Amino acid sequence: QSVLTQPPSVSGAPGQRVTISCTGSSSNIGADYDVHWYQQLPGTAPKLLIYGNTNRPSGVPDRFSGSKSGTSASLAITGLQAEDEADYYCQSYDSSLSAHVVFGGGTKLTVL
Amino acid sequence: QVQLVESGGGVVQPGRSLRLSCAASVFTFSSYGMHWVRQAPGKGLEWVAVISYDGSNKYYADSVKGRFTISRDNSKNTLYLQMNSLRVEDTAVYYCAKETISSRFVGYYGMDVWGQGTTVTVSS
Repeated sequence: QSVLTQPPSVSGAPGQRVTISCTGSSSNIGADYDVHWYQQLPGTAPKLLIYGNTNRPSGVPDRFSGSKSGTSASLAITGLQAEDEADYYCQSYDSSLSAHVVFGGGTKLTVL
Repeated sequence: QVQLVESGGGVVQPGRSLRLSCAASVFTFSSYGMHWVRQAPGKGLEWVAVISYDGSNKYYADSVKGRFTISRDNSKNTLYLQMNSLRVEDTAVYYCAKETISSRFVGYYGMDVWGQGTTVTVSS
C-alpha cells in the first residue's frame, strides 16, 4: 500500500487529453510539500517529467503539465501520442516518522 | 552529459551482504543530495535511502533501516549502498538518482538524473 495513491491505469486515444491523479495526506502533499512526476518507459530508468508541482525540466514537451491542490496533485497530458505509453509515478516528501521520500504506486498509461 | 552509472549488483544468498556503487560524472557531485531507489520485478518504485551533499544527513526507508547503509566519497564522485542481512524481498533493480536542486535539505526537490540501474537478486 503506497503512501501516495494513484489509479492503476488510465487510457486515451491519440490526440486526447488524460489526467493522472495522486492523492496524499496531511503529512505529505497536504503539508505543502512539492510533488514531482516521473515517466518510465518499458525497460528503462525513470525520467523526471515535472518537478516542484508545475515545472518542466528542459526538453520535456509542454503537452505535460502538473497541478496541486490540497492533499492531491494531477498530471495532465494533452495531444496524446503513442510514445507516451508508459508508467507514471508521483513522488513527494513525507514528514511522518516512518517515511521521508514517498512514491505513488504508479499508473500505466495505455494509448489506444 | 550528466551521468550516473551503477555497479555491484548480482546474485546473493539470503543473509549475505553486497555493496552497490554509483559513479557520477559531469556535474558537481559534492553539491547534491543523492538517493537510492529500487524496483522489484513487475512492481513500482520504492525509495530506499538519501544522503545529503556532505554525508552529514542520512535517511532510510523502514524496510531497510538497520540493514542498509548509504555513504558517499566526494573525492571519488561515488555513492555507495552497503546492503547487509539481505532478504529475498530485497530483490530489485537498484537505481541511484541525483536531487534536482543543490540544498543542505534533502528529499524535497525530486530527482532529475537517474542511473541505468543494477540488478540485485537474493535467492538461495
